[in-house]
Amino acid sequence: GQNIDQPTEMTATEGAIVQINCTYQTSGFNGLFWYQQHAGEAPTFLSYNVLDGLEEKGRFSSFLSRSKGYSYLLLKELQMKDSASYLCAVTDNFNKFYFGSGTKLNVKP
Amino acid sequence: AAGVIQSPRHLIKEKRETATLKCYPIPRHDTVYWYQQGPGQDPQFLISFYEKMQSDKGSIPDRFSAQQFSDYHSELNMSSLELGDSALYFCASRGTEETQYFGPGTRLLVL
Repeated sequence: GQNIDQPTEMTATEGAIVQINCTYQTSGFNGLFWYQQHAGEAPTFLSYNVLDGLEEKGRFSSFLSRSKGYSYLLLKELQMKDSASYLCAVTDNFNKFYFGSGTKLNVKP
Repeated sequence: AAGVIQSPRHLIKEKRETATLKCYPIPRHDTVYWYQQGPGQDPQFLISFYEKMQSDKGSIPDRFSAQQFSDYHSELNMSSLELGDSALYFCASRGTEETQYFGPGTRLLVL
């Protein structure tokens, strides 16, 4: 089976840095995705990791350790518009997505 | 860049009625996924199609069916609607790369 865990909710201050963790146990692994989802809107693709290490894309970075079944999404210079849910998703060998329950990030002034 | 198109964006139906949701994938994407997302929940995979053939099946009720057409658009047909079917329905498309790109969703309300 598939088991993906992320914190339910986090709060951070505008301008700060926040790290959202995701741990997974899957029967197969073909990559890990991070999506941002504002309430009532579609998930928006942020990052894709298939190899160990850090992928940086502007203010957002994503890290993967396959041996530990662990990933994190790092958001720098937080802005109010970053308040959203962040979904961790893992794909198996058949490219089927398994989503975590999402982390609701609240950015405060 | 062209994105995934879904129609309608909003739909109100009564119990026991039928509904058809449409999805137009990104050009040259040959794989379509359907998800159902209830309030405060993560997207639940329903069904997927690759090259017009069903490729995988998730938690799709027997009352629902779907297909992908020759132009790669897909339709999700929902019959005997129940109150619990009220949700956001997302379609996502994928090409040769691994990433799924989500459409804006159809918000279905069953009264």
